[in-house]
Amino acid sequence: DAGVTQSPTHLIKTRGQHVTLRCSPISGHKSVSWYQQVLGQGPQFIFQYYEKEERGRGNFPDRFSARQFPNYSSELNVNALLLGDSALYLCASSYLRGYNEQFFGPGTRLTVL
Amino acid sequence: AQKVTQAQTEISVVEKEDVTLDCVYETRDTTYYLFWYKQPPSGELVFLIRRNSFDEQNEISGRYSWNFQKSTSSFNFTITASQVVDSAVYFCALSEGSGGGADGLTFGKGTHLIIQP
Repeated sequence: DAGVTQSPTHLIKTRGQHVTLRCSPISGHKSVSWYQQVLGQGPQFIFQYYEKEERGRGNFPDRFSARQFPNYSSELNVNALLLGDSALYLCASSYLRGYNEQFFGPGTRLTVL
Repeated sequence: AQKVTQAQTEISVVEKEDVTLDCVYETRDTTYYLFWYKQPPSGELVFLIRRNSFDEQNEISGRYSWNFQKSTSSFNFTITASQVVDSAVYFCALSEGSGGGADGLTFGKGTHLIIQP
């Protein structure tokens, strides 16, 4: 069975641009969460979606937004990119909501120049 | 607010040695869940274990074992007879149950484990 997939693998953007990251959960999983991992730190929670609705949001500015589609895949959008947005963006899926085992994808490495 | 502390930034041991990774957590909830993840150089987080706050039994899985002690708010991870393939960054994480897990996982800063041949 396929695990969590994310695209693209790597991305280079310049300040002020917009970016869209994509995630496909494990088949049958209904919850998707997004995390930002800055180099040398643990992942930081951004959003959780369950059954296509936002169920939780971390301490991130409104430049960050996300949505979940009927097939449970998800997009993370970041507007007006800043240098500090450079990080590994991880998507995790779980069958139910947050405190169940979350299975992570390989991540998207975003570099903002 | 919930918090996870992994005080050991980096640990280096020689292959076949036993090694323990420490994790201390803070939460005001009585229901919560603790996790360990492994992040090899490839970057993908690999799920290792989940424990809930009502189950203090220690767990062993092959060379891995976990010691959960509510009295000290600790959830430590021991690798017995370490191998080079165990080299990775290990993260401890916490999810509070009161919000249905909607606040996501709170991760520690991770411990970089280096196993030397």
